[in-house]
Amino acid sequence: KAGVTQTPRYLIKTRGQQVTLSCSPISGHRSVSWYQQTPGQGLQFLFEYFSETQRNKGNFPGRFSGRQFSNSRSEMNVSTLELGDSALYLCASSRGRESSYNSPLHFGNGTRLTVT
Amino acid sequence: AQSVTQPDIHITVSEGASLELRCNYSYGATPYLFWYVQSPGQGLQLLLKYFSGDTLVQGIKGFEAEFKRSQSSFNLRKPSVHWSDAAEYFCAVGEAYDYKLSFGAGTTVTVRA
Repeated sequence: KAGVTQTPRYLIKTRGQQVTLSCSPISGHRSVSWYQQTPGQGLQFLFEYFSETQRNKGNFPGRFSGRQFSNSRSEMNVSTLELGDSALYLCASSRGRESSYNSPLHFGNGTRLTVT
Repeated sequence: AQSVTQPDIHITVSEGASLELRCNYSYGATPYLFWYVQSPGQGLQLLLKYFSGDTLVQGIKGFEAEFKRSQSSFNLRKPSVHWSDAAEYFCAVGEAYDYKLSFGAGTTVTVRA
């Protein structure tokens, strides 16, 4: 079974630009979560989607947004990029209907975003 | 709000020696607890999880963890470390239907020959 696929692996953007990251979950998984990983703040939850609905959202500014498509693929968008948005963005998928214990997260390898 | 503390930022251990990584959580009810491992340039891989039942849980790659409610801890152990265990380890806590995990800051493990 193929794992979680994130594209692209690396991105370099300039301050003020916007960026879109893509995530394809494991087949059959309907929940997709996004996390930001930085050396200073560690792993922080961005948002979670299930069947195209956002069920939870972390404490990030409105510049960070996401969506999920009917095939469970997800995208996240960051507008008006700032230097502090440089991070590894991790996508994770799960079956989603059960509790987080019975349906744990499976992570992709991430997209490394560098903002200059 | 739930939170996780991993007191050790970096641990160095000799190959073949035992390893213990500490994790303390703050949560009102019984939490869902997880340990993940991240190798350089990779995503996170689930090592093991705990919610209820036997307080000693076995995971993949020879890892085990013990839940101690009285100490709010969920420490990860491995009896004999291999060079391939060098990585960063994250403890995480979640709620039943909160659909998010709160991660600790991580512990980097270096294995010396």
